This record gives sequence, structure tokens and C-alpha cells, in this order.
Amino acid sequence: QKEVEQDPGPLSVPEGAIVSLNCTYSNSAFQYFMWYRQYSRKGPELLMYTYSSGNKEDGRFTAQVDKSSKYISLFIRDSQPSDSATYLCATFYSSASKIIFGSGTRLSIRP
Amino acid sequence: DTEVTQTPKHLVMGMTNKKSLKCEQHMGHRAMYWYKQKAKKPPELMFVYSYEKLSINESVPSRFSPECPNSSLLNLHLHALQPEDSALYLCASSQLGAQETQYFGPGTRLLVL
Repeated sequence: QKEVEQDPGPLSVPEGAIVSLNCTYSNSAFQYFMWYRQYSRKGPELLMYTYSSGNKEDGRFTAQVDKSSKYISLFIRDSQPSDSATYLCATFYSSASKIIFGSGTRLSIRP
Repeated sequence: DTEVTQTPKHLVMGMTNKKSLKCEQHMGHRAMYWYKQKAKKPPELMFVYSYEKLSINESVPSRFSPECPNSSLLNLHLHALQPEDSALYLCASSQLGAQETQYFGPGTRLLVL
């Protein structure tokens, strides 16, 4: 079992739709959860960062962590074509001092 | 300034060449990282530097040789690479007390012929 599982997609939705991206993780010791956005041929960009359970909102983006079910979500409201990218969920494994990434979900927003 | 810069953007090299990748950050971060990313895969950690000293080597072959000359610069020296080493090489940096929030550069796209 991978430590962080993510559906690779691709996911295609019309402009203006609400997008839901999801990951699960296996180790209940994980406490830091991140979402990175990566445009084609670019480096990953840190989009959202949460500690432990709960929600965090930043503009059109909401990150949600449910530690009881080991579930991580990213919601994008009023999606735009510029949101088309690969979204990587990630967690930080403190014991190994390393980020563990999900496989990434390719998202396409149709105009 | 939350920028990590990397040069060159693209690099083509033969299996007998020696080349270097460069990374620079001016955010005062004392942790710097090299990652390798293959197409449609997530980044894979290669090396971690803390206070300019190598702290993690993820069993990377010796044909990759990292160097951290000062707190702002990170190099990756390449020698006798194989075609399967072709990938996007990413540099990242973070504060030492906040290694979960890493800032990535745009990467160097490497092609080994």
C-alpha cells in the first residue's frame, strides 16, 4: 500500500464548476498536509498547507483534512481554465524529514 | 521574494560529458533539496542539505554529486549519466524548522543521449 494514494485522473470539468480533488494516506502519524500545483514543464508550486485536521480557505481554494478517515481534499470553486494543471497532494514524514507525494491528478478546465 | 531559480532551463548531454546544474535562493532558507521528476510521476527526493552540510542522500548513484558552496547556492554535478537519468531536476528550499513547506524552482529539463 502506498503511503499517499491519489487518483491520477485525468479529470475534466467545465469552467465555473466546483472541483474536488482527493487523497488518502496510510500513516496516522502524519500531521502536515500540503497541496502543490504543477503546470506543464514547470516546478511544483505550494498551494495550500494545513496542520492536523480541519479546513483552510484561501480565495477559491479550500483544503480539508479528516484525520479520522485519513482523507485529504482540495476544493476549487468557480474553476478557471488557468486552474488546468496537475495537483499533487503531499504529507511531511517528520521521522524521515521528507515529503511524500501522491501520484498527482491531472485537471483540465474546459472553457 | 519566494523565488528559487535554476539554471540552465534545458540541458542535453552525452553519456561521457560532465555538466552542472545550479540552484539559488535568497529567502534565508538553510535547508535545500534536489529532486528528480520523471514524466507523469511525482518528484523523488535525491539529496537534502542542512546548514550547507549533506544530511540526506536517498541512495543516489555516485554519478550525481551535490555541492552546497554557501547558504544560497546548491549545485548538482553530473558525470557519466545514463539515458534513464533524463528527467526534470528540481531544486527546493525551506526553513529548517518548517521542512514541510518547501519552495520549488522551475527545474532543469535534462536529456541524456
